[in-house]
Amino acid sequence: EVHLVESGGGLVQSGGSLRLSCATSGFTFSNFWMHWVRQAPGKGLVWVSRINADGTTTTYADSVKGRFTISRDNAKNTLYLQMDSLRADDAAVYYCARNFRSDASDIWGQGTMVTVSS
Amino acid sequence: QSALTQPASVSGSPGQSITISCTGSSSDIGAYNYVSWYQQHPGKVPKLMIFDVSNRPSGVSNRFSGSKSGNTASLTISGLQAEDEADYHCSSYTSSSTVVFGGGTKLTVL
Repeated sequence: EVHLVESGGGLVQSGGSLRLSCATSGFTFSNFWMHWVRQAPGKGLVWVSRINADGTTTTYADSVKGRFTISRDNAKNTLYLQMDSLRADDAAVYYCARNFRSDASDIWGQGTMVTVSS
Repeated sequence: QSALTQPASVSGSPGQSITISCTGSSSDIGAYNYVSWYQQHPGKVPKLMIFDVSNRPSGVSNRFSGSKSGNTASLTISGLQAEDEADYHCSSYTSSSTVVFGGGTKLTVL
């Protein structure tokens, strides 16, 4: 069975850093593009970033460009999101998601909560 | 990149059909047939319901259908059931090679 399990969320001060991880299993991780998507409490989904299968191409939403870095370790079947210079509006549940096709995501993790205090 | 525009809420009675709109621009929905729809029940993770405007993943009921006209995509749910009550989110690929979501629509089954 396919599983995505996020970890690394927590409480951080404004300006601080966090590194999220997404451990995957049940599929050939190295064959799939992956996404990070976030959702603030009571709000809609917001796309954050995407990485291609071999990790050579990354794309970011304007709101996180220059502050967040997506990466992957295909040997460890794990996706990462390094978040620096965190702001209050970065607070959300962060989901990792497997790209199905055309940037549609068919498998989602359960999410990890990031809280930013001022 | 501005978020796609969805109605905040829609409602319908069991057995009826409802349609949720998702309006973008000529840089996203209007330019590509890469619109997706997700269903999200409270406290749950999103579930892919439609991809590439009108295609259903395996296992998704054929009561769910998608379409697009110009810069607006639509999700139609026919034969509304109580279990369909959820939030629905649209998304599209953009000319900046990014992805943009809508604000989400809360569906209430009366």
